[in-house]
Amino acid sequence: SQQGEEDPQALSIQEGENATMNCSYKTSINNLQWYRQNSGRGLVHLILIRSNEREKHSGRLRVTLDTSKKSSSLLITASRAADTASYFCATDNAGNNRKLIWGLGTSLAVNP
Amino acid sequence: EADIYQTPRYLVIGTGKKITLECSQTMGHDKMYWYQQDPGMELHLIHYSYGVNSTEKGDLSSESTVSRIRTEHFPLTLESARPSHTSQYLCASGTGNQPQHFGDGTRLSIL
Repeated sequence: SQQGEEDPQALSIQEGENATMNCSYKTSINNLQWYRQNSGRGLVHLILIRSNEREKHSGRLRVTLDTSKKSSSLLITASRAADTASYFCATDNAGNNRKLIWGLGTSLAVNP
Repeated sequence: EADIYQTPRYLVIGTGKKITLECSQTMGHDKMYWYQQDPGMELHLIHYSYGVNSTEKGDLSSESTVSRIRTEHFPLTLESARPSHTSQYLCASGTGNQPQHFGDGTRLSIL
C-alpha cells in the first residue's frame, strides 16, 4: 500500500514562479527521495535527504524534511517550462528491506 | 544517464498471447524492481529481486512472473495477456541505500 501522500495533486504556474510540493508519510524512515517523471518516460532521481538532515539543495531545487511532522517539501525556484513533469516522493523505511514506498505524485505544469 | 534499458518501448498485442518484457542494466546493481503504473497515477511494485536467483512478489498482486538468472537481466513474463494487463511497466535497479535508476518503460496495450 502507498503510505506517501503528496499535495497538491496538480499545480499550474507561470514561468519564473516558484513551485512547492509537499509529501507526508506515516512510518519511521531512513531517507526520503524525490523523483521526476516526464510524460511517457521513466523516473529520474532528483534529491535524497536522510532522516538526520533537515534541508538539502541541488541547483534550483530545495528539499526540507520534518521528521516530527513526517513531512517533506520540494521547492523549485524560478521555474521553467522544461520543469513540467510529475514529481514523486518515496520513502526508504526503517526495516523495510529496501523497498521504497511511493507517493501519489504531483503533476506540475509550468506555462511559458 | 542511467544505463538501464527496457524493450520493447511499446507493444500492442492480442488477448491470450505470451509476452516477455525485457529489462537489462549495465551498472552491476544487485537489486532490480518491476513497477506497474497507469497514466498519471502512482507506481505499484509488482516484483523485486535482491540478487541472482532471488525474486519476490511486490505489494500489488500481478499475474506476471519474473526471473533473475543473471545480475544484469530481469525479464517479466505474462503467460496469457488480457486487456486488464494494459498499463505501463517500469523497471528499476539499485544498490545499497542508493536511489533507484529507472528505464523508460514499456507501454503495453492488450486488445
